[in-house]
Amino acid sequence: QTVVTQEPSLTVSPGGTVTLTCGSSTGAVTSGHFPYWVQQKPGQAPRTLIYNTGNKHSWTPARFSGSLLGGKAALTLSGAQPEDEAEYYCLLSYTGARPVFGGGTKLTVL
Amino acid sequence: EVQLVESGGGLVQPGGSLRLSCAVSGFTFSNSRMTWVRQAPGKGLEWVANLKEDGTEKSYVDSVRGRFTISRDNAKNSLYLQMNTLRVEDTAVYYCTRIHDYWGQGTLVTVSS
Repeated sequence: QTVVTQEPSLTVSPGGTVTLTCGSSTGAVTSGHFPYWVQQKPGQAPRTLIYNTGNKHSWTPARFSGSLLGGKAALTLSGAQPEDEAEYYCLLSYTGARPVFGGGTKLTVL
Repeated sequence: EVQLVESGGGLVQPGGSLRLSCAVSGFTFSNSRMTWVRQAPGKGLEWVANLKEDGTEKSYVDSVRGRFTISRDNAKNSLYLQMNTLRVEDTAVYYCTRIHDYWGQGTLVTVSS
């Protein structure tokens, strides 16, 4: 059973920078896992921010960026805003197997 | 405007069945691989099933394989999830999504006696 690992919680100061990571029990995360980053605010439906490692949608604030870092997928928030407080999930795809969500990172802006 | 509207959720007893529907508008449904994702109360997101554009390839999470069936009607721009032999642990909000970009608001399924 493949496990995708994220930090359970992180805190960032307003205006600060924070990096969330996403690892795989199968080994290094690569672009071939087509990493997604999904944001979910309390009481709301999820929203996809980043696809295929680092691609953004029109609704993705410029302060969010996706990358690969040290064998993991990474979501970096530069210049955190109070409205960025949310749960963030990564999703990895695996050849010949189902995609798997990470357990989520609860980001607090404080 | 893109819309994904789920329906069909509700309260059902263990062992019962439900059929979820997702009506899509605003993008080319017939060209889109579609997915059901669920979220148990207070828990994270769980990928449940997906279906290729033409309906020929389906994939399921192990916990629902053999009990749930994903299907689509491209003529009606609709995605479905037939859920049989429901268990208490299937209780969740079920989201219809094109994962890459668009998500519905979800429909709540509660399995309880």
